[in-house]
Amino acid sequence: SSELTQDPGVSVALGQTVRITCQGDSLRRYHASWYQQKPGKPGQAPLLVIYGKNNRPSGIPDRFSGSSSGNTASLTITGAQAEDEADYYCNSRDSTGNRWVFGGGTKLTVL
Amino acid sequence: EVQLVESGGGLVKPGGSLRLSCAASGFTFSSYNMNWVRQAPGKGLEWVSSISSGSTYIYYADSVKGRFTISRDNAKNSLYLQMNSLRAEDTAMYYCARDLMVITSSLGMDVWGQGTTVTVSS
Repeated sequence: SSELTQDPGVSVALGQTVRITCQGDSLRRYHASWYQQKPGKPGQAPLLVIYGKNNRPSGIPDRFSGSSSGNTASLTITGAQAEDEADYYCNSRDSTGNRWVFGGGTKLTVL
Repeated sequence: EVQLVESGGGLVKPGGSLRLSCAASGFTFSSYNMNWVRQAPGKGLEWVSSISSGSTYIYYADSVKGRFTISRDNAKNSLYLQMNSLRAEDTAMYYCARDLMVITSSLGMDVWGQGTTVTVSS
């Protein structure tokens, strides 16, 4: 299968921990990467927050972490902040390994 | 500064054509695989096409295969997307994005442009 499935929406209280999941057969073989996209601004480009096993690009706070088990990849935000409210997308290779596929996205609301 | 700047978007009628460009700067463009990713209004991200650093490997999403052509000019630090037989469902913001290379593996897309808008409507 070439699909990645995410919950449409998740909420978290300010300062609490939230996990956003992504399911797909290809995740048994390939790592997921995670992107944050803040809505409301035209052309707000996605921002890579996690890649590989659990790596953060420079400038990404260490409250963001990634993990994986079987066909499920997870993005965890430990101590969510108001500025973390955004859409989050997972991304990985498809079953052929040649093409990319994105999950449908999860809207994170920080209460 | 590492930067990608898209251009070429606009309003086109169904069945028409458009060529998008992406100008890269601040990094060795010829060393990186590149991608086009689109986002329809109010929808999620959709990968469109990828091209390897030397143009040897090219891949397309099923939704655009046979209609879109990706290419690059490493001498000009530029990526292109030729879009033909455009449909209403191709209406989207189109982003170019750089593959994040770790040794020989692509682990995501670490640099994105701000996008260019394509609207297909009569």
